[in-house]
Amino acid sequence: EAAVTQSPRNKVTVTGGNVTLSCRQTNSHNYMYWYRQDTGHGLRLIHYSYGAGNLQIGDVPDGYKATRTTQEDFFLLLELASPSQTSLYFCASSRDWGDLQDTQYFGPGTRLLVL
Amino acid sequence: GQQVQQSPSSLVLQEGENAELQCNFSSTATQLQWFYQSPGGSLVSLLSNPSGTKHTGRLTSTTVTKERRSSLHISSSQTTDSGTYLCAIDRQGTGSKLSFGKGAKLTVSP
Repeated sequence: EAAVTQSPRNKVTVTGGNVTLSCRQTNSHNYMYWYRQDTGHGLRLIHYSYGAGNLQIGDVPDGYKATRTTQEDFFLLLELASPSQTSLYFCASSRDWGDLQDTQYFGPGTRLLVL
Repeated sequence: GQQVQQSPSSLVLQEGENAELQCNFSSTATQLQWFYQSPGGSLVSLLSNPSGTKHTGRLTSTTVTKERRSSLHISSSQTTDSGTYLCAIDRQGTGSKLSFGKGAKLTVSP
């Protein structure tokens, strides 16, 4: 089973603050993803990457930056956090999208509260 | 508009009853997956079924691609099946981007 870890698990910050969410996967997956989950919207893709140094824009990228420093590590950056970014954030990874039987493995999630 | 619609949004069953969850999508999908989210929030993939019928344990998924719909059947439900079931598609031509439905919350009572 693929292992995806996230840190911190919970975070409280103030409006305008800087926040970095970290994600690490240890199964040599090529693809990594950041999602946010909100009541009434479901899971929405923020950014994703298919390798170190690569970044692809998702569906709700405004206010977020991301960086893939290694194959294992993917970071989500909120440089001027706003209350609208209060959410549950998930990181996920997958091996290769070319395989229709492949799936995404999710981390445990990070709850972010912006006051 | 919403690309993936799930029904019902919630369902309450007695243990032992069967559950039928529906997923309809508005764009062509080359990938369709069902996920389970526990009451604690953790997400796991249940199965990938872009077309046809697929079984795993007490789960059966049937996807009719040309009709843009998929179903997930849970037989002999157990209290541990309680949680939220999410359907997700990969929109054709967008590579790895999954679009998720809002989920179906299942509650199984003893």
